[in-house]
Amino acid sequence: QKEVEQNSGPLSVPEGAIASLNCTYSDRGSQSFFWYRQYSGKSPELIMSIYSNGDKEDGRFTAQLNKASQYVSLLIRDSQPSDSATYLCAVTSGGSNYKLTFGKGTLLTVNP
Amino acid sequence: SAVISQKPSRDICQRGTSLTIQCQVDSQVTMMFWYRQQPGQSLTLIATANQGSEATYESGFVIDKFPISRPNLTFSTLTVSNMSPEDSSIYLCSGEEGHTEAFFGQGTRLTVV
Repeated sequence: QKEVEQNSGPLSVPEGAIASLNCTYSDRGSQSFFWYRQYSGKSPELIMSIYSNGDKEDGRFTAQLNKASQYVSLLIRDSQPSDSATYLCAVTSGGSNYKLTFGKGTLLTVNP
Repeated sequence: SAVISQKPSRDICQRGTSLTIQCQVDSQVTMMFWYRQQPGQSLTLIATANQGSEATYESGFVIDKFPISRPNLTFSTLTVSNMSPEDSSIYLCSGEEGHTEAFFGQGTRLTVV
């Protein structure tokens, strides 16, 4: 059973701080890695994708991937109350370029 | 990015009945996926739906319980059959875009009583 593990949370940070979200995966064959944000009662929305080792930055978000350690993380700089949501890590698995396995998510709360 | 319109957004159904959920994409996508998100849990893939072939089901999910149609490249349905309270969940469809960047419909919140 391919697994994706996330730090359980909930994670609480003050406004303006850096929020760090972590994820490990068990399938060494995984090729694509994603972070989704899910507000309560809403469907997931893609915020970051990363496919190669290293860092990828998009505005206040930075995704980091280390395939040797089977580890992917998401940093949110200058956290805002509107960032409060559950963050889901997802990886392709099962030898597929399309099938996603999701972690259970980390609930982030940004306090004003 | 592409947009999926999913309906119904929510429903309350009697046990033993069936509900069909529809997803309409505003562009053609090769692969569509159906997920279930049980309360407080993450997404679990039910099946992959390709146009012109039978859906591929994940372990623990069977066609008799979750029949899927994919008549063309912009549309898919999932039926939850012979429902029980354990089927109460959020059901989500998704399509792939570009390099496997999945996008989701709004979800269907199903309550079985």
